[in-house]
Amino acid sequence: QQQVKQSPQSLIVQKGGIPIINCAYENTAFDYFPWYQQFPGKGPALLIAIRPDVSEKKEGRFTISFNKSAKQFSLHIMDSQPGDSATYFCAASMNTGFQKLVFGTGTRLLVSP
Amino acid sequence: DAGVTQSPTHLIKTRGQQVTLRCSPKSGHDTVSWYQQALGQGPQFIFQYYEEEERQRGNFPDRFSGHQFPNYSSELNVNALLLGDSALYLCASSLDRYNEQFFGPGTRLTVL
Repeated sequence: QQQVKQSPQSLIVQKGGIPIINCAYENTAFDYFPWYQQFPGKGPALLIAIRPDVSEKKEGRFTISFNKSAKQFSLHIMDSQPGDSATYFCAASMNTGFQKLVFGTGTRLLVSP
Repeated sequence: DAGVTQSPTHLIKTRGQQVTLRCSPKSGHDTVSWYQQALGQGPQFIFQYYEEEERQRGNFPDRFSGHQFPNYSSELNVNALLLGDSALYLCASSLDRYNEQFFGPGTRLTVL
């Protein structure tokens, strides 16, 4: 119940394309869903996060779609650029007084020029 | 403003040895969490320190221990190293236990 399942494992898109990364969870106590971007040799950096009281959130070229009934959420990257090539992780946590983040297994994105 | 810093960057140890990893949180942050990231996997929560106490722990054995100092910096200690402990160890800091976590670049530990 503590797992967050992420797909696909890897993704290749052309510049300008819209890669979509999907995550699913089982634990309905999760109430915070962040997405992280990680470049080689670096720690994860927060991209965007959503709480289950909204179905969509946009920040720049990044959009989270959230389906509470299906227990699924996804990341869309609009007008993708080669600089977006990185590994993306979804995560989830419960408001138990701390953020014990449970991460997905990651998606390696390659945006070709 | 310096972000989260970790030392050392890389470390090579042999099985059975002990290791200490260090983390300095982002300025103004008082909470430190540690994660283990195996190659090709997502980070896994080890434990979190707040007010110099371990507040929550993930599914890691007692060989993994930690400490938080009055200046909020933290150490992660791993005893009796196993080959499977080879991973990137990430430190994340936050302003109290409720807010966004900022990750450091990690320490790459290799156990031979």
